[in-house]
Amino acid sequence: EVELLESGGGLVQPGGSLRLSCAASGFTFSTSAMSWVRQAAGRGLEWVTSISGSGGSTSYADSVKGRFTISRDNSKNTLYLQMSTLRAEDTAVYYCARDPREYIYGRFDYWGQGTLVTVSS
Amino acid sequence: EIVLTQSPGTLSLSPGERATLSCRASQSVSNGYLAWYQQKPGQAPRLLIYGASSRATGIPDRFSGSGSGTDFTLTISRLEPEDFAVYYCQQYGSSPWTFGQGTKVEIK
Repeated sequence: EVELLESGGGLVQPGGSLRLSCAASGFTFSTSAMSWVRQAAGRGLEWVTSISGSGGSTSYADSVKGRFTISRDNSKNTLYLQMSTLRAEDTAVYYCARDPREYIYGRFDYWGQGTLVTVSS
Repeated sequence: EIVLTQSPGTLSLSPGERATLSCRASQSVSNGYLAWYQQKPGQAPRLLIYGASSRATGIPDRFSGSGSGTDFTLTISRLEPEDFAVYYCQQYGSSPWTFGQGTKVEIK
């Protein structure tokens, strides 16, 4: 059974940094691209960033480019999102999601339960 | 960036009725790479349909998708109590991947 478990969310001040993690199990992690998708309270879904199975290719939404960095450790079956220069508008639940192919495909067949990031002073 | 517009915003129906949800794209979605997700309160989204018309693993056949180009439809043939939720369409034909704003299917 595919499982994705996010952690690392919390309260951070504007301009601060935070690192999210997503522990994966139940599938061959290194052969699946992975993504982060966020959802502000009461709002819709917004794709944030994706990484290929090998980690050699990444893609970012314009809203986070230059501030967020996606990475993965295939030996630990873990996905990361390093967030810096955080803004109030980054406040959201952050979901990690599996892409069914090794390259970045953009379709999300399994999702974690999410971790809440709140940017506020 | 492809903008997806879903309609209606809210659909009020009774169990057993048919639900028809629309998703319109601002430009053609490449290869029909259009997905539908269901989200219930406090839960993560769940993939229902991909490639405009293919059901994901474990999805009941009362859910069906259709469409191509810029116009897509999700149909729930007979609503079950567990189907009342918010539904999102998403295109993955061109980056950035984008979602519609959602259609809420509520109990009438």
